[in-house]
Amino acid sequence: AQSVSQHNHHVILSEAASLELGCNYSYGGTVNLFWYVQYPGQHLQLLLKYFSGDPLVKGIKGFEAEFIKSKFSFNLRKPSVQWSDTAEYFCAVVTTDSWGKLQFGAGTQVVVTP
Amino acid sequence: ETGVTQTPRHLVMGMTNKKSLKCEQHLGHNAMYWYKQSAKKPLELMFVYNFKEQTENNSVPSRFSPECPNSSHLFLHLHTLQPEDSALYLCASSQDGTGRTDTQYFGPGTRLTVL
Repeated sequence: AQSVSQHNHHVILSEAASLELGCNYSYGGTVNLFWYVQYPGQHLQLLLKYFSGDPLVKGIKGFEAEFIKSKFSFNLRKPSVQWSDTAEYFCAVVTTDSWGKLQFGAGTQVVVTP
Repeated sequence: ETGVTQTPRHLVMGMTNKKSLKCEQHLGHNAMYWYKQSAKKPLELMFVYNFKEQTENNSVPSRFSPECPNSSHLFLHLHTLQPEDSALYLCASSQDGTGRTDTQYFGPGTRLTVL
């Protein structure tokens, strides 16, 4: 069965630190990849997505992610976080076997301290 | 953002009650979804509707009954739930549930507590 793994469940870092969240999936075919963010008390919002083309994808709020096909990975990065980046981050994957059926990772809770 | 709205935002019900969750999307999409978000578990896809037709039931117990009267509205009817059904229920919509470049947009969720 296909799966999505997020390596860190909780991350705590200071403002201005760099952030990298890992995401790996287990599927050998074509995939669409997404990162969603859920700020406290708010709904899931799309941060960025990858369908094809340039494997380095830029999203909103200074986030970017890199698709490395050989590693089945789609890691999220931000060079300098702010307190307002405190949120839960979810990686999600759609495969050619199941277009429209998003599979989510368990999420990473990120806390940015002032 | 008000593209996908859900009501109520919070619901407390007893195990013998019958209640319904409502979702409405204002994005002109043709696919709608129900997800369950439980603590410490990944979001679980429950149901998918494409152009009002149910295309996915992810082995959901029959005490959850979805209804999609049109492409803009989605309901989740609840009856004789169990305490373990307490969770955040999320609705999402997308342009075309089978499209290669489809992207799902989520509502704020209904926080359900079953006593």
